[in-house]
Amino acid sequence: DVKVTQSSRYLVKRTGEKVFLECVQDMDHENMFWYRQDPGLGLRLIYFSYDVKMKEKGDIPEGYSVSREKKERFSLILESASTNQTSMYLCASSTGHSGYTFGSGTRLTVV
Amino acid sequence: DQQVKQNSPSLSVQEGRISILNCDYTNSMFDYFLWYKKYPAEGPTFLISISSIKDKNEDGRFTVFLNKSAKHLSLHIVPSQPGDSAVYFCAASKNNNDMRFGAGTRLTVKP
Repeated sequence: DVKVTQSSRYLVKRTGEKVFLECVQDMDHENMFWYRQDPGLGLRLIYFSYDVKMKEKGDIPEGYSVSREKKERFSLILESASTNQTSMYLCASSTGHSGYTFGSGTRLTVV
Repeated sequence: DQQVKQNSPSLSVQEGRISILNCDYTNSMFDYFLWYKKYPAEGPTFLISISSIKDKNEDGRFTVFLNKSAKHLSLHIVPSQPGDSAVYFCAASKNNNDMRFGAGTRLTVKP
């Protein structure tokens, strides 16, 4: 089974902190994605990557950056955390038309 | 601007009856559509998909219907079971790239 692992289930950070959310997949998928899930808004695409060192902005990239130095790892970075970035963050990976495999999510609270 | 819309935030049905979840999309370039199911504290899991060249895809109790002219798809679950209670997300993509999700519909199946 494809596994997508997000390093933290819950995180509490202070406003202004730099936050790293890590995601690792073990099935050699080319494509990796970061979404955030908010009530009434569903999953919104933040950033995605189709290859190592490649990144593309999604619908809501402001306040975020990403890093993909290795194929299996895709990191989401909050440069200076703000309270409106409190959310559930979901990482996913895919290859071709296989659909996405999601991690269990990281619930981030910024205080 | 949400390209994928699920206008019903919640749906409640009796066990054994049919559940019908609806989804509309605006981007005519979408060519692949999926439904995901999400339980609390877990990432979404793939349920069923349909390519734009088809109008129906069936997998056990789950059937997805696609009406391209109306830009509408629906998920039918019959018979519904209490274990089907979850949030269902509709998703759409072009060439399986950067998938867009709806806001989700919370399905409750009552025993």
